[in-house]
Amino acid sequence: KAGVTQTPRYLIKTRGQQVTLSCSPISGHRSVSWYQQTPGQGLQFLFEYFSETQRNKGNFPGRFSGRQFSNSRSEMNVSTLELGDSALYLCASSFLGGVNYGYTFGSGTRLTVV
Amino acid sequence: QQQVKQSPQSLIVQKGGISIINCAYENTAFDYFPWYQQFPGKGPALLIAIRPDVSEKKEGRFTISFNKSAKQFSLHIMDSQPGDSATYFCAASYDNNNDMRFGAGTRLTVKP
Repeated sequence: KAGVTQTPRYLIKTRGQQVTLSCSPISGHRSVSWYQQTPGQGLQFLFEYFSETQRNKGNFPGRFSGRQFSNSRSEMNVSTLELGDSALYLCASSFLGGVNYGYTFGSGTRLTVV
Repeated sequence: QQQVKQSPQSLIVQKGGISIINCAYENTAFDYFPWYQQFPGKGPALLIAIRPDVSEKKEGRFTISFNKSAKQFSLHIMDSQPGDSATYFCAASYDNNNDMRFGAGTRLTVKP
């Protein structure tokens, strides 16, 4: 059974650009959540999508957005990149949504903003 | 945003020893307390989790101890092995909410 797949694994972008990250959940999982991981702030929740609808949102500026497609794949977009957006972006999927049941993380996308 | 405090930041243990990592939380609404293990280049993987109606849960060499009145919980790794060397995160959530609050992480090194 394939795990959560995130692409690309590594990205280097210039300040002011925008970036799109992709997450393919485990087959059958309908919920996808995104997290930002940095050495300074640790793991922070960005948002969750379930059946193509954003169901929950963390405390991040509007430059961070996402969407989910009918096949449950999700994309995350960051516009007007800042140096502080350099981080490991992780997605996690689960069948019903929520962390209590089969919540599985991908290996992440390492974004570097220069 | 930090509602879960984790200590120590780093821990060095000899092979065969016991590793102990502690976490404290503030929000009494939290009802799910997982521990995650993360290796370099990988995402966090669920190790073990506990709910507040249980004071202890054991799975193999890993045990969570939970103290509801003190709002603290800890991970004990018995017979620590070099393969356990990783970063460990405690977390907390409520109402099955995806907005999990993570501790800052503990980098564990088990020396052979």
